[in-house]
Amino acid sequence: EVQLVQSGAELKKPGESLKISCKASGYIFTSYWIGWVRQMPGKGLEWMGLIYPDDSDTKYSPSFQGQVTISVDKSINTAYLQWNSLKASDTAMYYCAKKISGYGYVDFWGQGTLVTVSS
Amino acid sequence: EIVLTQSPDFLSVTPKEKVTITCRASQSTGSSLHWYQQKPDQSPKLLIKYASQSIPGVPSRFSGSGSGTDFTLTINSLEAEDAATYYCHQSSDLPFTFGPGTKVDIK
Repeated sequence: EVQLVQSGAELKKPGESLKISCKASGYIFTSYWIGWVRQMPGKGLEWMGLIYPDDSDTKYSPSFQGQVTISVDKSINTAYLQWNSLKASDTAMYYCAKKISGYGYVDFWGQGTLVTVSS
Repeated sequence: EIVLTQSPDFLSVTPKEKVTITCRASQSTGSSLHWYQQKPDQSPKLLIKYASQSIPGVPSRFSGSGSGTDFTLTINSLEAEDAATYYCHQSSDLPFTFGPGTKVDIK
């Protein structure tokens, strides 16, 4: 059974750094692209970027390029989303999402990680 | 970037009604257009892949059609459990994008 289990909710202050995780199981982690999707409070879904775990080829949406870093650790089947300096506007739910192929649909979603940035 | 627009933004419907949601792309996506359902406090769930292909386990009242720039999600005989927000998503071209969503409320 495919599962994407994300790390727990985070409460951070502006300027702090953060790395959230998405642990995959039930499939060959290195064979499928994983993406990250943002959902700000009461808003829609925004595609942030995706990574191919086998070679860490990463593609960012322009709005998120330079704002976040997507990475993986193949040894533990885990993808990450990282910020160096959080802003209040980063407050959102973040989902990891397994794609069936690079240009295919998302077939599985993580449960989401709520990130709250507040002073 | 391919911009997806959905209409309507919001629907309030009675059970057993038929619901039609449209998604229009700013340029052709071929058939690389997919539909997701998101219920409150849940992750999105895949409903339709590649514009019209059904997904195992998804009720047959959900169907999709279209190609190129114009797509439709149809819910035949709406049930109370279908109260959710519905999103289209294109995977034809980077950056991938989602439509703004259509919220379906049950009267």
